[in-house]
Amino acid sequence: KQEVTQIPAALSVPEGENLVLNCSFTDSAIYNLQWFRQDPGKGLTSLLLIQSSQREQTSGRLNASLDKSSGRSTLYIAASQPGDSATYLCAVRPHGNQFYFGTGTSLTVIP
Amino acid sequence: DAGVTQSPTHLIKTRGQQVTLRCSPKSGHDTVSWYQQALGQGPQFIFQYYEEEERQRGNFPDRFSGHQFPNYSSELNVNALLLGDSALYLCASSRQPSYEQYFGPGTRLTVT
Repeated sequence: KQEVTQIPAALSVPEGENLVLNCSFTDSAIYNLQWFRQDPGKGLTSLLLIQSSQREQTSGRLNASLDKSSGRSTLYIAASQPGDSATYLCAVRPHGNQFYFGTGTSLTVIP
Repeated sequence: DAGVTQSPTHLIKTRGQQVTLRCSPKSGHDTVSWYQQALGQGPQFIFQYYEEEERQRGNFPDRFSGHQFPNYSSELNVNALLLGDSALYLCASSRQPSYEQYFGPGTRLTVT
């Protein structure tokens, strides 16, 4: 069974700092990986989707990388802002239809 | 373009009752997945519907059942509610080939 781990569980940084969130998964045979943000009590907002054949994806200040062989993905956030405060979740999809989620990293950006 | 919508937003039920949650997918999407998210946890996959059939199921008991309609909207039914069923229930829609998932705002179910 696929296990997804996100470290750290919580992170607090001053505004303007660049930061990296980590996601690791146990089975490297994945079809794709998706990063989400979730505000308290709300649904998930898709940030980036990386297909298994890709190494990275970029959207604005966000950059996600994927290393399938080592079972790792990182989400890089540049020039963090207070509005980036949220929980960030990664989810992997093996060759099937089910996504497996990590427990998330709670990010606080201090003004 | 309307995104994924879910109803109701909040629901309070008593143990033993039954509940139905509803989801309308994003325009152009034909696949609907349901997830349960307990406080402080990541979403757990319940099942996925495609072409009105349950295509895959997670590790949830038969008390959890669903349906997909010809317009791709979906319902999640939970029978014989337990206190442990209290959670945020999320619906996600997607389409081939990437199955990139788009989530609705969720339904907060409280079982007392």
